[in-house]
Amino acid sequence: DTGVSQDPRHKITKRGQNVTFRCDPISEHNRLYWYRQTLGQGPEFLTYFQNEAQLEKSRLLSDRFSAERPKGSFSTLEIQRTEQGDSAMYLCASSLEGARGYEQYFGPGTRLTVT
Amino acid sequence: QKEVEQDPGPLSVPEGAIVSLNCTYSNSAFQYFMWYRQYSRKGPELLMYTYSSGNKEDGRFTAQVDKSSKYISLFIRDSQPSDSATYLCAMRTDSGYALNFGKGTSLLVTP
Repeated sequence: DTGVSQDPRHKITKRGQNVTFRCDPISEHNRLYWYRQTLGQGPEFLTYFQNEAQLEKSRLLSDRFSAERPKGSFSTLEIQRTEQGDSAMYLCASSLEGARGYEQYFGPGTRLTVT
Repeated sequence: QKEVEQDPGPLSVPEGAIVSLNCTYSNSAFQYFMWYRQYSRKGPELLMYTYSSGNKEDGRFTAQVDKSSKYISLFIRDSQPSDSATYLCAMRTDSGYALNFGKGTSLLVTP
């Protein structure tokens, strides 16, 4: 299967702990996106990478959040000093730059529960 | 007010019915329009995508965009119980990268 993969699928952590999620995009896709989805809501954009460059960040991405995409391949999203309000599904998507680059393909998500 | 509005439902229809799902939006700069299907506790799956106005058909699914009314629709013909899911509309501008999603409409197709 060559779809977007995310790891872990579920994470339970205590408030104040740091967590890190990983996303592996579709292999030829050079664009990568992170979104957050809470219950009953649509996904909300967090950040966007083109290759290894982080080109756009949402105001939702507070300074406790950091994302990286070393070498333009996989990406990590780290949340420091987690809060209960961080509990959500974190979704990664990828797309291919070009005429149809607006098609974003999503992974299965990482569900975070902060206790 | 959010840029993209979508009635969350739930919408319940009998198997075989035609389903109509829709979204309205306020940002006239949106040019790319997408529909995603999301099963419970899974990631969104891209169903349909259109650029600017017009219709697009793919099997049992038809997507319509009316930019003059800032209104998009997804029609599902001959609905099946396996179509039961949440349907999310999403859109973005020419220059932006972020997708702006509606809340999603929960659909239940009963046998």
